[in-house]
Amino acid sequence: AQKVTQAQTEISVVEKEDVTLDCVYETRDTTYYLFWYKQPPSGELVFLIRRNSFDEQNEISGRYSWNFQKSTSSFNFTITASQVVDSAVYFCALRGNNAGNMLTFGGGTRLMVKP
Amino acid sequence: DAGVTQSPTHLIKTRGQQVTLRCSPISGHKSVSWYQQVLGQGPQFIFQYYEKEERGRGNFPDRFSARQFPNYSSELNVNALLLGDSALYLCASSLEVKNTEAFFGQGTRLTVV
Repeated sequence: AQKVTQAQTEISVVEKEDVTLDCVYETRDTTYYLFWYKQPPSGELVFLIRRNSFDEQNEISGRYSWNFQKSTSSFNFTITASQVVDSAVYFCALRGNNAGNMLTFGGGTRLMVKP
Repeated sequence: DAGVTQSPTHLIKTRGQQVTLRCSPISGHKSVSWYQQVLGQGPQFIFQYYEKEERGRGNFPDRFSARQFPNYSSELNVNALLLGDSALYLCASSLEVKNTEAFFGQGTRLTVV
């Protein structure tokens, strides 16, 4: 069985602060994919990143960065210099190699960035 | 290019009724998946369809059914609605059946009263 845990249900920061969203996963698959999605109030899930289990390089995209550590089964997401527009619910998700496109989502972390 | 479109955006149904939700995938995408997102929780997988065939099913009762049409659009049907079926229903489309990105629509918010 696959499982994704996002222990932080809600985080509140002041604009320009850095914030890290934690994600821990469980899977028996040797090949798998990890994702982060952003869900603004409109409801649509916006794709942010996909990382496969063979690629442990950290990735940076503008103010966003991701730290994948296979040894601790974690795939954490950091927003640098947060902005009010970053306020949303963020979901970490896992897809096993034999699971088609079935995603297993964590419970989400609600990020509130205050001006 | 149009993204994933879902209809209706909102609807209210009474317990025991039946509902049909619709999804049009991104042009060229052949796979459609359905997810249920109860308030305050992460989405849960319901179905995946590819080339009109069911390719995956989550842990949902038989009251939930779906189908995919030749133009790759899809419908999700829920019979004998329960209060607990109230949720945001999300449709995701992807190019192929696996190993490709899933792009989500804005969802249909279903309220069962």
